[in-house]
Amino acid sequence: DAGITQSPRHKVTETGTPVTLRCHQTENHRYMYWYRQDPGHGLRLIHYSYGVKDTDKGEVSDGYSVSRSKTEDFLLTLESATSSQTSVYFCAISEFYRGTNEKLFFGSGTQLSVL
Amino acid sequence: DAKTTQPTSMDCAEGRAANLPCNHSTISGNEYVYWYRQIHSQGPQYIIHGLKNNETNEMASLIITEDRKSSTLILPHATLRDTAVYYCIVRVGGSGNTPLVFGKGTRLSVIA
Repeated sequence: DAGITQSPRHKVTETGTPVTLRCHQTENHRYMYWYRQDPGHGLRLIHYSYGVKDTDKGEVSDGYSVSRSKTEDFLLTLESATSSQTSVYFCAISEFYRGTNEKLFFGSGTQLSVL
Repeated sequence: DAKTTQPTSMDCAEGRAANLPCNHSTISGNEYVYWYRQIHSQGPQYIIHGLKNNETNEMASLIITEDRKSSTLILPHATLRDTAVYYCIVRVGGSGNTPLVFGKGTRLSVIA
């Protein structure tokens, strides 16, 4: 399995505080993604990166920012957390496989609770 | 990318084949069909993907109809550990700047 580490695994914070989630990979893969998962909504893409300093928005990017200053780390920041951002956050990387890069590997997730 | 339609839930007896359908009637010629699954509270796991030919690997088989408007994921001998949500995704292959979009999937329950 791909080496992906998400930290922290669990976090409880208060409304209005900044929060940063970290995704670290040891595979040197180009593409990295942040998804959130909520009951009734499935997995939704927040932001993704296709290289160092190259990022783009996903379908639910409002209230989130990302940074990728080196290949192995992709940070997700909630500038001012809100209760609607309580969710499970998954990081993923993609491997070039059979001529495409659609083989995603996911981290174990971060459970974030905003009170 | 083409939209997919999957049943919300299915049951399968342990040891029997699980056949999970996916409808993608608006698929275009350069779009691949991907399958992932998510076991409770874990991150999704890649299963298989294909363009037009049937595919098989150690986890499952993917059968794509000749007109490519639908496909079936087959788990030949389902076990309790196959209980999960299964996602069918259609996307243009090789377009690395277009990430996979997951729908709500099919919740498969394997019953002893």
